[in-house]
Formats: sequence, C-alpha cells, structure tokens
Amino acid sequence: GAGVSQSPSNKVTEKGKDVELRCDPISGHTALYWYRQSLGQGLEFLIYFQGNSAPDKSGLPSDRFSAERTGGSVSTLTIQRTQQEDSAVYLCASSDRQGMNEQYFGPGTRLTVT
Amino acid sequence: GENVEQHPSTLSVQEGDSAVIKCTYSDSASNYFPWYKQELGKRPQLIIDIRSNVGEKKDQRIAVTLNKTAKHFSLHITETQPEDSAVYFCAASWGTYKYIFGTGTRLKVLA
Repeated sequence: GAGVSQSPSNKVTEKGKDVELRCDPISGHTALYWYRQSLGQGLEFLIYFQGNSAPDKSGLPSDRFSAERTGGSVSTLTIQRTQQEDSAVYLCASSDRQGMNEQYFGPGTRLTVT
Repeated sequence: GENVEQHPSTLSVQEGDSAVIKCTYSDSASNYFPWYKQELGKRPQLIIDIRSNVGEKKDQRIAVTLNKTAKHFSLHITETQPEDSAVYFCAASWGTYKYIFGTGTRLKVLA
C-alpha cells in the first residue's frame, strides 16, 4: 500500500519568506509526528498529532513554527519568516497507535533558506 | 530532562565482523526501545524494537539487548555486510507519544 508521502521534496526559499510543508500519512494512522534533521544530525522531535489535536507543541523551536492536521489525515507544517538556521530536512512519520509502535517515515522535505 | 545518549558516533568494521552500538536513557519510565536504520539520502526505517518486559530480541543477524537496571540497550549486528553501512538511531518511548532519538551512529562496513 501507499506509504507516507511528503511534498515538496525540495524547497529553496529566501530568508524572511513563509513556507508550508505537507505530509500525507498512511491511511488509517491516527498518530502523526514531525521531526527536523539537520545535516549529519539526529532526529529532533517537533510536534505530535493524535487525530487532529496536538497534545504537546513544546518541541517547536519558536513561535514562527506551527502545524495543523485536518480530517485526521493530512498535516501541514508552516514556518513563517524563515531563517537560515531553519535549513534542514523535515521528516514526517505516522503510526497506527500512539507510542510503543513502529513509526513509518516519509521521504522528507529538504528546506534550504538562502 | 529526558535524554538518550548513543555511542559511538562513528564505527568502522571489517566485513564479517560484529558491530555493537550502545544507548543509555535517562527516564526509568521508558518502556519501548526501537532501532532505526537510515541509508544515505533515504528515510529512517525500523529494523528491530524491544519492549521493557523483554531482555533480548533477535532477528537473523540483528539482536537488541536491554538492561533496565542500568538503563541501557544495545544493538548487535553479526556477520556484517557492506549493505549494513548506514546511520543507526536508537530511541526511547514512554508509552505515550513522545520518542526521544539518540544522535545516531554512522556504521561503515569495509569490504
């Protein structure tokens, strides 16, 4: 079946512009996660959705970052007034239950802020 | 706060030798410990996981051991092959939603 998909695969933007990253989880998966991976680094947890609600937003790096999920499916991560330090790969993952279960990752969106 | 430390950051082994990667976690409430493999330019994929009621789990050439008292768990790869070359991430979960990942180990298997 279809896996997790993300779009765009690559995004180059100028400093100060807003960007929207999209994640389509596996159908039926109720849990959805966003991570950030800087070059050669680990996976930084950003936010988690159970259904449409986000119980914990404390992983978001600043108030320029926001995310939403609609219909218990598609999620968008929005970064406002992008900065060069936002450059990274943004990975989305979904799981059919919260916690203690395999996360299926998408291919990621590589964001470059010039 | 919650933390997962992973060592070593890089590891080179000869083909056919074994590789061991170790992780320690800070929160004793952790009860789920997955390992993910990320090949260059690809997405992380689960290779093995262990839950807190089990001390060891094996899947062909891969095994994971868990020591709850010491709060550490390890990944063991035997008879390494060039296709095992990748970055490996450990993680710990508290049975809720939050996963804390280690910083990764870059494994190189030398032919």
